[in-house]
Amino acid sequence: GESVGLHLPTLSVQEGDNSIINCAYSNSASDYFIWYKQESGKGPQFIIDIRSNMDKRQGQRVTVLLNKTVKHLSLQIAATQPGDSAVYFCATPGTGANSKLTFGKGITLSVRP
Amino acid sequence: NAGVTQTPKFQVLKTGQSMTLQCAQDMNHEYMSWYRQDPGMGLRLIHYSVGAGITDQGEVPNGYNVSRSTTEDFPLRLLSAAPSQTSVYFCASSYGHSGANVLTFGAGSRLTVL
Repeated sequence: GESVGLHLPTLSVQEGDNSIINCAYSNSASDYFIWYKQESGKGPQFIIDIRSNMDKRQGQRVTVLLNKTVKHLSLQIAATQPGDSAVYFCATPGTGANSKLTFGKGITLSVRP
Repeated sequence: NAGVTQTPKFQVLKTGQSMTLQCAQDMNHEYMSWYRQDPGMGLRLIHYSVGAGITDQGEVPNGYNVSRSTTEDFPLRLLSAAPSQTSVYFCASSYGHSGANVLTFGAGSRLTVL
């Protein structure tokens, strides 16, 4: 089945710096990827998604990069703020008619003042 | 819009007790699902439903039952709680009949089984 993994469990960055959160996936046929943010005590919230026909997609202060060759995607957060402190998940439904979102284990982003 | 509403937010049970976690959404989403979140394990799918009257098992269904009598509601039942079911439970929904779309999550229900 599909497996999704985040490279490091925790990431600490200085406020104002850029953050890069990485994620690897196992199924080369996966064609859709989603990033979620989960603040303490809350449910995951959608940040941004990307389909495999794109290499890059930008949102407000966030950019997702997809490298299909090495099955890797990253979430970049510009000018990281204290409110960005959270757990970040990548997810993909994999392929097939009965596909469901599979989530990575999550990485905790801590922003130092 | 309220989105996805889960009740209760917190619950403590004794081993062997039963209870139901409630989930309701007001977005007219066809797809609904339950996940559990444990430290170091990420989010794991328990059960899901692609529409009223249709349910199916996810990755970790043992010890849980679900039903979907209406589009809006998708309760999760624990028939005989076990300490291994101590977890945070999230209900999530999405448009369409597939689990491959962006999910909207509830705020979670934290369950402790003693």
